Amino acid sequence: DTGVSQDPRHKITKRGQNVTFRCDPISEHNRLYWYRQTLGQGPEFLTYFQNEAQLEKSRLLSDRFSAERPKGSFSTLEIQRTEQGDSAMYLCASSFPPSGSGVNEQFFGPGTRLTVL
Amino acid sequence: AQSVTQLDSHVSVSEGTPVLLRCNYSSSYSPSLFWYVQHPNKGLQLLLKYTSAATLVKGINGFEAEFKKSETSFHLTKPSAHMSDAAEYFCVVRGDSSASKIIFGSGTRLSIRP
Repeated sequence: DTGVSQDPRHKITKRGQNVTFRCDPISEHNRLYWYRQTLGQGPEFLTYFQNEAQLEKSRLLSDRFSAERPKGSFSTLEIQRTEQGDSAMYLCASSFPPSGSGVNEQFFGPGTRLTVL
Repeated sequence: AQSVTQLDSHVSVSEGTPVLLRCNYSSSYSPSLFWYVQHPNKGLQLLLKYTSAATLVKGINGFEAEFKKSETSFHLTKPSAHMSDAAEYFCVVRGDSSASKIIFGSGTRLSIRP
């Protein structure tokens, strides 16, 4: 399977613990995105990378959140001191950089569902 | 600023009947518009996209959408619903090349009655 993969698929943790999620994009894609999706809502943009450079971060990404893409391939999203409000589905997507039309399709992974007790 | 409104949180149709999922947008720029589908336990999949070419856009699985600038709408349609179409559908607007300006609607859950 050459799609976007995410690990783990589910994570249950206690409030105050740290968690780390991993995303492996499609290998030819140099852009990687993180989104958060809460129940009954659409995904909300968190951050994105072009190669190893983190180019944009949403205001939703508090200082407890950090994302890395050290070698321009896989990415990790860490949440420190988790809170119950962090419970959500965390989605990763990858794409080529924009083409002449200015937009390229993002391919999404299945997500990591986080539950903070 | 960009925003997107999906006018129905839930739509239910009978198998074989037409599907209409409504989406209205606002954008300061000439927008790019997308429809994604999300099946349970699967990743979001692109159905179709509008990027200022033809206003009637055909996508996968028989879906199509028409960009109407005067109505700021981008409704998704399918002539005949299939049981496998049952899923959550998201309308997405992107106002410029900034990734942070990708705005998802709140979704429309499509149910198909046998």
